Amino acid sequence: AQSVAQPEDQVNVAEGNPLTVKCTYSVSGNPYLFWYVQYPNRGLQFLLKYITGDNLVKGSYGFEAEFNKSQTSFHLKKPSALVSDSALYFCAVSMDSSYKLIFGSGTRLLVRP
Amino acid sequence: DAGVIQSPRHEVTEMGQEVTLRCKPISGHDYLFWYRQTMMRGLELLIYFNNNVPIDDSGMPEDRFSAKMPNASFSTLKIQPSEPRDSAVYFCASSLRQVHLGGTEAFFGQGTRLTVV
Repeated sequence: AQSVAQPEDQVNVAEGNPLTVKCTYSVSGNPYLFWYVQYPNRGLQFLLKYITGDNLVKGSYGFEAEFNKSQTSFHLKKPSALVSDSALYFCAVSMDSSYKLIFGSGTRLLVRP
Repeated sequence: DAGVIQSPRHEVTEMGQEVTLRCKPISGHDYLFWYRQTMMRGLELLIYFNNNVPIDDSGMPEDRFSAKMPNASFSTLKIQPSEPRDSAVYFCASSLRQVHLGGTEAFFGQGTRLTVV
């Protein structure tokens, strides 16, 4: 069965510093990988996805993620964090022929001024 | 497009009552998903539809839950009878299959916060 793990419940970083939010996955076959962000009392917003091709994917708001097949990871990164990036981040996976997303448990990102 | 529209935004009901959550997907999208979010269990996929047909309802917790999609622009999730443990935020999402790009991102509604007392 496919699954997604986000090992950190919370990530704290100072504004202006780089940030990383970790995600690992377990699937049989080729995964489609996604990152979503959720602000308080809001639905999830799409940030970026990996389908195929270049392992480094660039997305919204300056975020990027690197697909690493050997480590089965898809970590979210940003070179310089903003206070407004503080939110709940979800990694998700879907399989080739299925369009359903399986989400990780979420990581709360707190960027302090 | 206004995005995925869910109603109501908040619902408070008494245990045993019937609850109906509504969703209008983005026009033209052919996939519709219902998710439930709780602190304990995170985001769980309940059911999803393709072209109005239920494809996978393995996440529906009990027979008390049912979902329908009578047409491409409307879906409902019904809980009858409701119980306090059903309290959660319920999200609807829709997506469009992109044949040449494989998986596509899902667009989420703002959710319905259900409280069963």
